[in-house]
Amino acid sequence: GQNIDQPTEMTATEGAIVQINCTYQTSGFNGLFWYQQHAGEAPTFLSYNVLDGLEEKGRFSSFLSRSKGYSYLLLKELQMKDSASYLCAVRDRWQAGTALIFGKGTTLSVSS
Amino acid sequence: GAVVSQHPSWVICKSGTSVKIECRSLDFQATTMFWYRQFPKQSLMLMATSNEGSKATYEQGVEKDKFLINHASLTLSTLTVTSAHPEDSSFYICSATPRQPNEKLFFGSGTQLSVL
Repeated sequence: GQNIDQPTEMTATEGAIVQINCTYQTSGFNGLFWYQQHAGEAPTFLSYNVLDGLEEKGRFSSFLSRSKGYSYLLLKELQMKDSASYLCAVRDRWQAGTALIFGKGTTLSVSS
Repeated sequence: GAVVSQHPSWVICKSGTSVKIECRSLDFQATTMFWYRQFPKQSLMLMATSNEGSKATYEQGVEKDKFLINHASLTLSTLTVTSAHPEDSSFYICSATPRQPNEKLFFGSGTQLSVL
């Protein structure tokens, strides 16, 4: 079956760096996504990895290892507004009209 | 970037009534739209895949007669929760992709449904 695991909760302080891990076991693989979601709102796209390695975008970076079925999202210079849920999602095939499979999300709390 | 509009943002209804939620892609044509449901502190669970001009594909455990999906055009899909009950109270989110395979799903703003 399809399975995506990530920690349920994490805490950190302003200005710090936090790494949110995600492991997946899916029938196929065609991309891993990270989304940010604030309570009561729709998810917003953060990053996308389809090849191994690190993708950097401002304060956020995402890493992928396909052989290990592993990804992480790295958040630098944390701000209070980064308190949110972070969702790891996998697309299991290359085809238009393929839904994403989501993990349960990691709730990040940033304190001052 | 692409925009997906979802309406209404929230709705409160009495048990036994039906509720319709609309999802529109505003600046692209979406052959396929997806409907997700999210309970508090849970992840997004795919309910169904909505294909323009054909019947929706429902995930296991989702009642097709209860959650009616209509995808009448390339820019509009609707989800109707029929005979809603309190256990149907949830956050419903639609998403869409343009015709070509794309690296992103674009999400609507979500609909919080509360059934009394």
